[in-house]
Amino acid sequence: NAGVTQTPKFQVLKTGQSMTLQCAQDMNHNSMYWYRQDPGMGLRLIYYSASEGTTDKGEVPNGYNVSRLNKREFSLRLESAAPSQTSVYFCASSEAGGSQPQHFGDGTRLSIL
Amino acid sequence: RKEVEQDPGPFNVPEGATVAFNCTYSNSASQSFFWYRQDCRKEPKLLMSVYSSGNEDGRFTAQLNRASQYISLLIRDSKLSDSATYLCVVNRDNYGQNFVFGPGTRLSVLP
Repeated sequence: NAGVTQTPKFQVLKTGQSMTLQCAQDMNHNSMYWYRQDPGMGLRLIYYSASEGTTDKGEVPNGYNVSRLNKREFSLRLESAAPSQTSVYFCASSEAGGSQPQHFGDGTRLSIL
Repeated sequence: RKEVEQDPGPFNVPEGATVAFNCTYSNSASQSFFWYRQDCRKEPKLLMSVYSSGNEDGRFTAQLNRASQYISLLIRDSKLSDSATYLCVVNRDNYGQNFVFGPGTRLSVLP
């Protein structure tokens, strides 16, 4: 009953370091998403993948890259971390189409010093 | 103006109370609507979808008013376990990438 699994759960980086956040879902969903959540703000979409082999920018893509490795996995990479990227990152998946709700992983808490 | 706005909260209510949250959205073309709950430092979880005719799930009732562009969530007989932040989510069209999340309204149910 895993649903959406994110790793790691916590990470502390120094400015300029790189890292990849991993996400996998076992619900056979076509669409996957990466969001960030900052205090006092709603979730903001970083990147999404409507289906295997496609990725597109969301509202706040600068400083990030993504890879849709296969239908199950969607990773988010920070090439050169900046303090402004300190946030909680959530991966989500859904059936195709906007009428279907999204299912979230339990988040990665990332601090950039 | 934010595309999705919610009551700022927090709402502090006693156990057993009835509480209502409102959410307004600015894009009249919005197609799908949801309420999620988010516990402190946890992921958002779907509470219920909101249908045009309104819908109920146990103690929870959701209403949609397209003409006025608002969504409401009513919680009856509040439980301590209802304490959480409630997120209003609107989809601008039928594409999954166009979900817009409200900032949330925090509810504390007090014993």
